[in-house]
Amino acid sequence: QQQVKQSPQSLIVQKGGISIINCAYENTAFDYFPWYQQFPGKGPALLIAIRPDVSEKKEGRFTISFNKSAKQFSLHIMDSQPGDSATYFCAASGNTPLVFGKGTRLSVIA
Amino acid sequence: DGGITQSPKYLFRKEGQNVTLSCEQNLNHDAMYWYRQDPGQGLRLIYYSQIVNDFQKGDIAEGYSVSREKKESFPLTVTSAQKNPTAFYLCASSLDRGQGVETQYFGPGTRLLVL
Repeated sequence: QQQVKQSPQSLIVQKGGISIINCAYENTAFDYFPWYQQFPGKGPALLIAIRPDVSEKKEGRFTISFNKSAKQFSLHIMDSQPGDSATYFCAASGNTPLVFGKGTRLSVIA
Repeated sequence: DGGITQSPKYLFRKEGQNVTLSCEQNLNHDAMYWYRQDPGQGLRLIYYSQIVNDFQKGDIAEGYSVSREKKESFPLTVTSAQKNPTAFYLCASSLDRGQGVETQYFGPGTRLLVL
């Protein structure tokens, strides 16, 4: 019930392309879904977050799409840049500490 | 500057030794957390504290201990009972007490290595 499943484990995208990372959850009590970005040797930093009362949230090149009925949410990175190369974690929370996915290592190549 | 500080950045542990990782925050956050990160495993919750003098076990608390004597500080002790302590340890804090949205902010991490 507490799991958040993230895919793919790794992703290689051409510069300027779209990066898509998917997450699925089981616990219907979850009501907060953030995405974190982590560079090697650093702590994760909050990238963007969504609550289930909206189906999409966009901040710059980053968009979260949320499908409540399917219990899935995804991160889309438009116009991917080499500087976006990092590990991305989805997470979920509902009156509990965050539960994290296992992460996706994104490499954006020129 | 507001934020979360962790020290040291690197820590070496000998067999049978207890070591303590420091975490301090000046964000006036109520809740603090410790996570362990291993390659391909994501972030796993060790302990968390929602209020001073109270804390709860996370998913992998065995071999670890914590204290929360001050709101700003949440040190983690890796005891000799933790047989595989080599990992990247992350401290986080949040303003909410788990009653709703929890935006967690992370420190820079401590890498623990066994000699």
